[in-house]
Amino acid sequence: EAGVAQSPRYKIIEKRQSVAFWCNPISGHATLYWYQQILGQGPKLLIQFQNNGVVDDSQLPKDRFSAERLKGVDSTLKIQPAKLEDSAVYLCASSLGWGAETRTDTQYFGPGTRLTVL
Amino acid sequence: GENVEQHPSTLSVQEGDSAVIKCTYSDSASNYFPWYKQELGKRPQLIIDIRSNVGEKKDQRIAVTLNKTAKHFSLHITETQPEDSAVYFCAASSRGYSTLTFGKGTMLLVSP
Repeated sequence: EAGVAQSPRYKIIEKRQSVAFWCNPISGHATLYWYQQILGQGPKLLIQFQNNGVVDDSQLPKDRFSAERLKGVDSTLKIQPAKLEDSAVYLCASSLGWGAETRTDTQYFGPGTRLTVL
Repeated sequence: GENVEQHPSTLSVQEGDSAVIKCTYSDSASNYFPWYKQELGKRPQLIIDIRSNVGEKKDQRIAVTLNKTAKHFSLHITETQPEDSAVYFCAASSRGYSTLTFGKGTMLLVSP
């Protein structure tokens, strides 16, 4: 099966500029996640969608970050304006659904977008 | 919320040796514990996972053990090979949700 697709793979911007990332999950996967991975750390969840509804955005810096998944498939993550500390890899992941007793919550990651803010 | 601690941060072994990475979690409601391998510049890939209704799971050279009472779980790699060199992340997820909290990672270096 095709994996999670992300674009662009790399992005370099100046601080205070805006940037957007795109994610296409595995076909049929209802749940989509955006993670931020700072160099040397584990991925940190920014936002989780179930279909086109937000399940968890408690760690999303809402003053500058926004995300949407309008038709329950593709998703975009935007940063406006960017700060130096936003330099990281932004990973998108998807899973079939969610549930404690099934394998539907196995998450598959995309290749990520490496953002550098100068 | 959940907090996951992972040790060691780096681990160097000789080819053929065993490697053990340990993680502890804080939320007793967590019931799903995956391990991901991330090679330099690549995406995290699931290598093995365990659910709270089992204590151990094996897949060839990889095994994971879970101690719910102590709230810790471990990854065991036997007969390590140079291609096992990567960063390994543990994670924990609570019942009813699929939100993962990751550890900070362990860089495993396997020398030929």
